[in-house]
Amino acid sequence: QSALTQPPSASGSPGQSVTISCTGTSSDVGGYNYVSWYQQHPGKAPKLMIYEVSKRPSGVPDRFSGSKSGNTASLTVSGLLAEDEADYYCSSFAGNNFSFGGGTKLTVL
Amino acid sequence: EVQLLESGGGLVQPGGSLRLSCAASGFTFSIYAMYWVRQAPGKGLEWVSGISGSGGNTYYADSVKGRFTISRDNSNNTMYLHMNSLRAEDTAVYYCAKDLIFDFWGQGTLVTVSS
Repeated sequence: QSALTQPPSASGSPGQSVTISCTGTSSDVGGYNYVSWYQQHPGKAPKLMIYEVSKRPSGVPDRFSGSKSGNTASLTVSGLLAEDEADYYCSSFAGNNFSFGGGTKLTVL
Repeated sequence: EVQLLESGGGLVQPGGSLRLSCAASGFTFSIYAMYWVRQAPGKGLEWVSGISGSGGNTYYADSVKGRFTISRDNSNNTMYLHMNSLRAEDTAVYYCAKDLIFDFWGQGTLVTVSS
């Protein structure tokens, strides 16, 4: 099970948009529409933000959106708020197992 | 309200064993696959193991295959992770998570493998 590739950091000013990428292979991201994104604040458990590439769970603001092209998935956070500062992880189903990205620390400047 | 509560973590010597539990409530436990995901200190998330709703199918990461065993007791809404031959690199917070999309997570339990 290989890890998915995410940039270690991303940043934006309040109100701006930022996009985080997640690159895998045809055996995970490219092969299934089961890509999810999780937000994790320090000392807290991860929280589901996006599932099945682009779906938002109830209660997640529509400022968060997801997409996929080929072997790369993306999370876009629009209208950045201070509370969006956190670590973000992507994951993908890979046929009887799962891969996670290494995480991206999002800083709101 | 969905709740997942892990327990059983602690300090164990290399080569030792530990059993983690995940008590679930607020949903029909038996119809959902359940998973264990871990996070080493200061590191990212790593999928560890999964089990189908009936318990008939189990899945493991290569890093724990042959050492860890996942199981569940649907009559008590509880999932377990039996960990044997523990290594220093197994030190992590272990989270249980619900369903294929990991839509709910517990608060985690810390396992420290050290002499």
